[in-house]
Amino acid sequence: DTGVSQNPRHKITKRGQNVTFRCDPISEHNRLYWYRQTLGQGPEFLTYFQNEAQLEKSRLLSDRFSAERPKGSFSTLEIQRTEQGDSAMYLCASSLAWPGGVQPQHFGDGTRLSIL
Amino acid sequence: AQSVTQLDSHVSVSEGTPVLLRCNYSSSYSPSLFWYVQHPNKGLQLLLKYTSAATLVKGINGFEAEFKKSETSFHLTKPSAHMSDAAEYFCVVSGPRGSGNTGKLIFGQGTTLQVKP
Repeated sequence: DTGVSQNPRHKITKRGQNVTFRCDPISEHNRLYWYRQTLGQGPEFLTYFQNEAQLEKSRLLSDRFSAERPKGSFSTLEIQRTEQGDSAMYLCASSLAWPGGVQPQHFGDGTRLSIL
Repeated sequence: AQSVTQLDSHVSVSEGTPVLLRCNYSSSYSPSLFWYVQHPNKGLQLLLKYTSAATLVKGINGFEAEFKKSETSFHLTKPSAHMSDAAEYFCVVSGPRGSGNTGKLIFGQGTTLQVKP
C-alpha cells in the first residue's frame, strides 16, 4: 500500500491558463473521488469514479472542469481558463466498494493551486 | 439531505488535559460518520468511523467518539492531549449504508485544535 499520490504538490499559474492535476489511487481501489478545499473550509465533493465510469458530478464542477479516469487507474482533473476563485487545495481520495458497502476513503496530500 | 455542524471553530487545551470536539449531524437515513484529521499542508487521515451498532468507537492515537442518535451527535474525545494532536479536525457524514452508497463525504467546517505546553 503506497498510498494515494497526487502531482504536482503545488501549481502556480496565471489567470486564464489551463492546468491539469494527476491522482494515482491505491492500486486495488475501484473508487476515486475529487474534492476541493478552500482556505479555512472543509473539503467539498466535486466528482467520483467507479472504475472508469464517472458516476456523479457536483454542481461545483463547472463546464471549465473536466475529470477523467481512462483505464480505471489514475485520474486527471483539468481546469480550463482558470479564474481567481479556482485557487484552492484539490484533494484526491480512493476506496474499495462492493455491492452493499464501501470502505473509508484514503486521501492524498493534495495539489495546491494558486492563480496569479 | 445530509449535513454536519462542528460546534467549535477553535478549541485550545493544555497538554495532558482532555480533548472534546463537538459535532452534530443531520441525515434523513442511517448515516456513516467519520472523524478525519488534517495536519498543515497535508491530506486527511482517518481517525475513526461509525458504521454499525457499536455506538462507542475507538480510533487511532487514543481518540474515541460516541454516536448518540437521540442527540444526533458524534463528539470526539481524548483523555489526554499531546502536542502532536494540534491539527484541524473534520467531522464527516456519508451514506446511506448499503447498495446505492456513493461514499460521497460531506465535511463539517472543521475545528482547529491548539495544544499548549
